[in-house]
Amino acid sequence: GAVVSQHPSWVICKSGTSVKIECRSLDFQATTMFWYRQFPKQSLMLMATSNEGSKATYEQGVEKDKFLINHASLTLSTLTVTSAHPEDSSFYICSARGPSNYGYTFGSGTRLTVV
Amino acid sequence: KQEVTQIPAALSVPEGENLVLNCSFTDSAIYNLQWFRQDPGKGLTSLLLIQSSQREQTSGRLNASLDKSSGRSTLYIAASQPGDSATYLCAVRRREQAGTALIFGKGTTLSVSS
Repeated sequence: GAVVSQHPSWVICKSGTSVKIECRSLDFQATTMFWYRQFPKQSLMLMATSNEGSKATYEQGVEKDKFLINHASLTLSTLTVTSAHPEDSSFYICSARGPSNYGYTFGSGTRLTVV
Repeated sequence: KQEVTQIPAALSVPEGENLVLNCSFTDSAIYNLQWFRQDPGKGLTSLLLIQSSQREQTSGRLNASLDKSSGRSTLYIAASQPGDSATYLCAVRRREQAGTALIFGKGTTLSVSS
């Protein structure tokens, strides 16, 4: 079946540093990728939508200068958390539309802890 | 604004029991609805997807129904097993367009004891 590979699965970083999270669609082309954030016992909240070759669309309240999204190819999207702070500690997960038009495939998620 | 609610938030049952998880959404104008399973600290596994024109979908011991007009979906799990323990998420897609993201409920955390 369709696979979206997300790396790293977990990362611990110091406050003030930047962290990059990668998502790759392994056997299909993902023209659109979605980035979600999930706090403990909460739902997945959409952060941004990225389209290959164009700027990402951010949800209200999400700082685009802090959460940099790049979708340079049909199989790779990256999320960079810049100048991370402890409140950015969360579970980040990506999703690609496909391989059919109907469903979505999710990555395995990244647990970010900022100390 | 579309909101998705899942009841109950948590459920504990003994092995072998049949159970129903509920999902409701406020705007009935959806394109499809999808049920996912999430294990602790892991990503999402798609279980069933129901298009807006469909009433139900089945996969093994799982059956999902959709009543779009009333804004409700149920996930029925037959003969539950300890391996079914996980959080089950319901998500709706509002439109067919490629840039449409899923809107999730908070999930139901299921615990099946042996």
